[in-house]
Amino acid sequence: QVQLVQSGAEVKKPGSSVKVSCKASGGTFSSYAISWVRQAPGQGLEWMGGIIPIFGTANYAQKFQGRVTITADESTSTAYMELSSLRSEDTAVYYCARATVVPAAFSPALCYFDYWGQGTLVTVSS
Amino acid sequence: DIQMTQSPSTLSASVGDRVTITCRASQSISSWLAWYQQKPGKAPKLLIYKASSLESGVPSRFSGSGSGTEFTLTISSLQPDDFATYYCQQYNSFLTFGQGTRLEIK
Repeated sequence: QVQLVQSGAEVKKPGSSVKVSCKASGGTFSSYAISWVRQAPGQGLEWMGGIIPIFGTANYAQKFQGRVTITADESTSTAYMELSSLRSEDTAVYYCARATVVPAAFSPALCYFDYWGQGTLVTVSS
Repeated sequence: DIQMTQSPSTLSASVGDRVTITCRASQSISSWLAWYQQKPGKAPKLLIYKASSLESGVPSRFSGSGSGTEFTLTISSLQPDDFATYYCQQYNSFLTFGQGTRLEIK
């Protein structure tokens, strides 16, 4: 069955960067859309961006443009999310999520998510 | 961005109750709406997609309806396992989530 396994918790200093990985198993990695969604403590869900590995181009939420980079390595079926210039407000659980149904427009921004990773807590603190 | 507004923010109900959660979009999203359930410390779980299609394996007591700007998630008879937080998500245009509805035991 499909599994998304994320890397472990991180503690980072303000101004630094973090890179979280999401390894997929089961199914064809390249054809599906992988997105990153974060959840600050006690808050709701926030989409950051996504990628369809076979196309390689990522879409990002405007809020994160210039600060987030989402990539995918088809050879290892792993997606990555790198967030730079970290601040305390970036403390959150970061989830990767897969969309099995990819829209005709081939945009990861137009998907819903049927599989989720277990989440990675990123804490930003001096 | 399309804003998604859920109501109520918190809902108190008892086992066996029929409950409805509403999600309103700031502009028409046709039927491009999904519903998720999230329990504390866990990832969200997909319940409904395309406004009214039940995800495989999800109990039939969950149902979704609506189109355009107004949508509802209904649980026909609440079970103990259903107390959780529910989110709507539009995927008509650069996907966004509602703020969540916490369903708690009365």
